[in-house]
Amino acid sequence: GAGVSQSPSNKVTEKGKDVELRCDPISGHTALYWYRQSLGQGLEFLIYFQGNSAPDKSGLPSDRFSAERTGGSVSTLTIQRTQQEDSAVYLCASSFPGANEQFFGPGTRLTVL
Amino acid sequence: GNSVTQMEGPVTLSEEAFLTINCTYTATGYPSLFWYVQYPGEGLQLLLKATKADDKGSNKGFEATYRKETTSFHLEKGSVQVSDSAVYFCALRVFGNEKLTFGTGTRLTIIP
Repeated sequence: GAGVSQSPSNKVTEKGKDVELRCDPISGHTALYWYRQSLGQGLEFLIYFQGNSAPDKSGLPSDRFSAERTGGSVSTLTIQRTQQEDSAVYLCASSFPGANEQFFGPGTRLTVL
Repeated sequence: GNSVTQMEGPVTLSEEAFLTINCTYTATGYPSLFWYVQYPGEGLQLLLKATKADDKGSNKGFEATYRKETTSFHLEKGSVQVSDSAVYFCALRVFGNEKLTFGTGTRLTIIP
């Protein structure tokens, strides 16, 4: 594909519901990253995948957050029992491992009412 | 730990003005340094990078020099244009650690 794609572009949900956010990386990029961009916290790292494994999950804010990657390609970020403080733009990026440039998707704007 | 401190915004300048956005960092290892830009309605994209001390990254008229002695990576442009209006993020990545650590971002608005 031309670039990193994410879906949905916008998601509005009610407090307490679960949500799934999807990321489709650039073909051939084995490294995949999730970040969160929020007003109060800026841009924060959440999790990094190399292939299907996640050697760095240090940025996940709580056990309500999880992510998986299958087939070394698409990744899903799941937030369970959403809270209002989860409202943010969730960004996905991909790269070749060790490469300096990470390519970012357009993001998913999550609003928790 | 690793952190990036970036000049607070918003910054408003007239077209053709000189731009400086300050960025300093702390890092436990030897970092690579980056400036990312987010234009209105678009995703983050890499503007320029530098991987070792005294390297100068440049792109689209923007420049930044990796200064190890002052732990800084200030972004400069000699003559800004309206099309440079965007949010600019300074970031670092330490060797052996894949994640980027970002500054808080600086919103730049250029008025004609």
